[in-house]
Amino acid sequence: EAGVVQSPRYKIIEKKQPVAFWCNPISGHNTLYWYRQNLGQGPELLIRYENEEAVDDSQLPKDRFSAERLKGVDSTLKIQPAELGDSAVYLCASSLESARDTQYFGPGTRLTVL
Amino acid sequence: AQSVAQPEDQVNVAEGNPLTVKCTYSVSGNPYLFWYVQYPNRGLQFLLKYITGDNLVKGSYGFEAEFNKSQTSFHLKKPSALVSDSALYFCAVRDKWRDDMRFGAGTRLTVKP
Repeated sequence: EAGVVQSPRYKIIEKKQPVAFWCNPISGHNTLYWYRQNLGQGPELLIRYENEEAVDDSQLPKDRFSAERLKGVDSTLKIQPAELGDSAVYLCASSLESARDTQYFGPGTRLTVL
Repeated sequence: AQSVAQPEDQVNVAEGNPLTVKCTYSVSGNPYLFWYVQYPNRGLQFLLKYITGDNLVKGSYGFEAEFNKSQTSFHLKKPSALVSDSALYFCAVRDKWRDDMRFGAGTRLTVKP
């Protein structure tokens, strides 16, 4: 069974540029999460989807961050414009709605903003 | 509010010795507790969880953790460490009545041959 797929794995951009990250969850997992992991810290939830509905986006900086999961499968997280402080690893995870406590994480996208 | 503390940034043990990675938590209700491991350039992998029942929880790769309500702790343990256990370990907690999970800052475990 394929795990959670994320692309790209690494991204280097200059500040004020836009950037997008893509995630394909495990097949059949209707709950999808985007986390941000700063260096030396644990992951922090940005947004959680149940199918195509964003059910918790309270920690998403909505002035520059946006996310979508139009068909309830894969998802895209966008930053526009990026700032220096956005440099981090962006992790996607998925779970079954009936087993939400066991989340499966992708390898992450390491973003460096110069 | 939910929070997790991992008081040690780094734990070093010799191969074959027992290991303990510490975690304390704070929640307003009943806690659900988790341990995840992160290897270099890979995503977090689920190790084990405590929801209810026996305070000693057994998980993957020979790891176990003990829930201690009075000390609000959920320390990760393994009787005999392997060099391949070297990784970053994260404790996480969520309140039974909430959906969001809070992670600790992580503890880097190094097992030396």
